[in-house]
Amino acid sequence: SQQGEEDPQALSIQEGENATMNCSYKTSINNLQWYRQNSGRGLVHLILIRSNEREKHSGRLRVTLDTSKKSSSLLITASRAADTASYFCATDAVENNDMRFGAGTRLTVKP
Amino acid sequence: SQTIHQWPATLVQPVGSPLSLECTVEGTSNPNLYWYRQAAGRGLQLLFYSVGIGQISSEVPQNLSASRPQDRQFILSSKKLLLSDSGFYLCAWRGGRREKLFFGSGTQLSVL
Repeated sequence: SQQGEEDPQALSIQEGENATMNCSYKTSINNLQWYRQNSGRGLVHLILIRSNEREKHSGRLRVTLDTSKKSSSLLITASRAADTASYFCATDAVENNDMRFGAGTRLTVKP
Repeated sequence: SQTIHQWPATLVQPVGSPLSLECTVEGTSNPNLYWYRQAAGRGLQLLFYSVGIGQISSEVPQNLSASRPQDRQFILSSKKLLLSDSGFYLCAWRGGRREKLFFGSGTQLSVL
């Protein structure tokens, strides 16, 4: 079963705008990871945030983690048409070796 | 460097036929291996994962099975496919707990 949910399910913005996606989860985690998927392809890892971290940056990506609320957000700043893809969060559970994914957010960036 | 190979890229199979999807990893040893399935426009459903040869954890009871005959080989099988087995199958690996996943390019399976 899936770990949690992302919202929104779909997001459409103009190039240059910021995109924010949220993720909620249910269990205790070692870390939370965000991945990107272009249509019909495998997923590519974007960023990992550990359970003892609250915020992390990588280029135009900013991730926050609130373990008390069991939620995370991914912010993509100054979006580009090439950022169009589906974005998924995944949780690395404390209790075992599995990695569970949310339902994803489909981002469309219009040029 | 590490690479993951997954094949075939597309597969069309009749209902009731068997299935064998293979995934191999190169350039690493004792990886954690994972099989996921993705319905069109949906998230990833974890099917199986393995932390070592012969060690398989099943997440969803169904007519699929997985095996790990060698350290870097992970096989997804079915004796008789159902229509509901259609989907995009993804294999992934990571070096251990708390690490990121590396995905194969996926197999689009259509059961007709």
